[in-house]
Amino acid sequence: ETGVTQTPRHLVMGMTNKKSLKCEQHLGHNAMYWYKQSAKKPLELMFVYNFKEQTENNSVPSRFSPECPNSSHLFLHLHTLQPEDSALYLCASSLSRQGNQPQHFGDGTRLSIL
Amino acid sequence: AQTVTQSQPEMSVQEAETVTLSCTYDTSESDYYLFWYKQPPSRQMILVIRQEAYKQQNATENRFSVNFQKAAKSFSLKISDSQLGDAAMYFCAYMGGSQGNLIFGKGTKLSVKP
Repeated sequence: ETGVTQTPRHLVMGMTNKKSLKCEQHLGHNAMYWYKQSAKKPLELMFVYNFKEQTENNSVPSRFSPECPNSSHLFLHLHTLQPEDSALYLCASSLSRQGNQPQHFGDGTRLSIL
Repeated sequence: AQTVTQSQPEMSVQEAETVTLSCTYDTSESDYYLFWYKQPPSRQMILVIRQEAYKQQNATENRFSVNFQKAAKSFSLKISDSQLGDAAMYFCAYMGGSQGNLIFGKGTKLSVKP
């Protein structure tokens, strides 16, 4: 139990569907992250939020839309996804963005695009 | 740009034996942090050990220790007295000392034989 909870654990959707991934942390952390983990590739940072403000968008297509209503919750809204978007999506949080504050990860959402 | 390289896609170790996982990185920064994360089949990314670049002493956490060679930009992980529960993907990661991003290697899959 790391204190970072992601739902759903698995998600199968068609390319025209709209769905959302949810991440929640009650660790008192101020920074939250979305990562994409594909087979045979390093984890890719997608978005960073610090004190609810988006500080980084790592050239992610607009079909992925993040939302951070407060420091404890982070969403990833999905719309018109492509088959290559099938992957494990990991959420993480940290006390701050500095390197001496390690990131704590959730269990991820396994996303499959039909 | 910083990069992290894990040259061993897969490794195997006998239970109770010792194994070393390799990691090299490239950076022009002088202040940074290095991490080893473990990802078992449950998918949760778990922090194993952390090293601050300004510290010469190698970090240790119970059966896990690192060999940090700053000049060579090498950061290997040694697992002593390997246990079946150590079987997992192991990721080496780098973060700059200021507000940097966590950069991961491709990972090494460790199998533990009974």
